[in-house]
Amino acid sequence: GAVVSQHPSWVICKSGTSVKIECRSLDFQATTMFWYRQFPKQSLMLMATSNEGSKATYEQGVEKDKFLINHASLTLSTLTVTSAHPEDSSFYICSARGSNGYNEQFFGPGTRLTVL
Amino acid sequence: QKEVEQNSGPLSVPEGAIASLNCTYSDRGSQSFFWYRQYSGKSPELIMFIYSNGDKEDGRFTAQLNKASQYVSLLIRDSQPSDSATYLCAVHLYNFNKFYFGSGTKLNVKP
Repeated sequence: GAVVSQHPSWVICKSGTSVKIECRSLDFQATTMFWYRQFPKQSLMLMATSNEGSKATYEQGVEKDKFLINHASLTLSTLTVTSAHPEDSSFYICSARGSNGYNEQFFGPGTRLTVL
Repeated sequence: QKEVEQNSGPLSVPEGAIASLNCTYSDRGSQSFFWYRQYSGKSPELIMFIYSNGDKEDGRFTAQLNKASQYVSLLIRDSQPSDSATYLCAVHLYNFNKFYFGSGTKLNVKP
């Protein structure tokens, strides 16, 4: 149980385009999902907390108009990187908080974004 | 001061030895503590979590929590080369529904 999927697993796009990444909890309902970004050899950086049916809470320094988050259902959250630039190239990882009360996070496999 | 501190390593241990990974946290309101393993180029996977002071064992892994010292550790017995990875410590503050991750400790288990 507690499986989280992400799609796509990797994407290459041109500068200026938008990219949507999907995060799904496959076998449990997740009222809270998290989006992280990780640059090579660096730690996870929390971008935003996504709550089903409400607006996402963004961390300081993360542009909400550039990184659009939608959590439309208890099993799906999406992150859209708008007008992507090469500096947005990174490993984007989502996680979902378990529903059994222990508050652990289960991570998706990640999406590697390369912006040319 | 960072919320969660870890020694970046690398920590090198020979195969079969005990690897000891340490983590300190700053907020006494922290209530849940987690250890994740992350292989290079992959996302983190949960190893175990601990809530109460003391030890919690799961197979070759033992988590230790000392809330008075704000210290949590992970012991890996009979270390294997496949244990070579970066280990992330995370804490959860229930009142703020916030998770904080350490920067991770890189573990190398030498055959």
